[in-house]
Amino acid sequence: QQQVKQSPQSLIVQKGGISIINCAYENTAFDYFPWYQQFPGKGPALLIAIRPDVSEKKEGRFTISFNKSAKQFSLHIMDSQPGDSATYFCAASGTSYNTDKLIFGTGTRLQVFP
Amino acid sequence: DAGITQSPRHKVTETGTPVTLRCHQTENHRYMYWYRQDPGHGLRLIHYSYGVKDTDKGEVSDGYSVSRSKTEDFLLTLESATSSQTSVYFCAIRRQAGGGTEAFFGQGTRLTVV
Repeated sequence: QQQVKQSPQSLIVQKGGISIINCAYENTAFDYFPWYQQFPGKGPALLIAIRPDVSEKKEGRFTISFNKSAKQFSLHIMDSQPGDSATYFCAASGTSYNTDKLIFGTGTRLQVFP
Repeated sequence: DAGITQSPRHKVTETGTPVTLRCHQTENHRYMYWYRQDPGHGLRLIHYSYGVKDTDKGEVSDGYSVSRSKTEDFLLTLESATSSQTSVYFCAIRRQAGGGTEAFFGQGTRLTVV
């Protein structure tokens, strides 16, 4: 049972372009939505996170857009750089017993070419 | 890296042999997790711990057991390794930050079962 669905599986973007990764969730008890960035040979690292009481959160070139009614959220990487090439995971969690563990999407491999 | 150390970092083992992976943390976090990462599946929760001797199953727990006799150590055991358990295993701790469940990961253990 995939509670968090992520797309696309892979993404190729030109340097300076916008990278967009989408996620959808099913469980309305989820109330926290982080994004993780993973470089080869490393563990995932927290990139940015959002709660459903806001529709957008921006940190530098990274922006999360959140649509509570559609149960969807997305990561936008503006002015994408080759150093952004990594695998990105969306995730979701809640505060109740059955939702307090992070549930991850299947990941998106981003390649940014010069 | 939240003071998380996984050992070994790489291991090759034969089918049917028992294998134990170790996760050690230095920051006295109560919650610890074991995930496995496989292409197309993202990160899937195997087992987790709420404290010493307090563990529970995740979504892919079959064939795995865990133990936590000390706060700092969380062990994952494959009782009889199978080729389907070839994967990269990540340990994580949980921190409460920004109102949500945020996981901080170790560097991973690449396990190959031949």
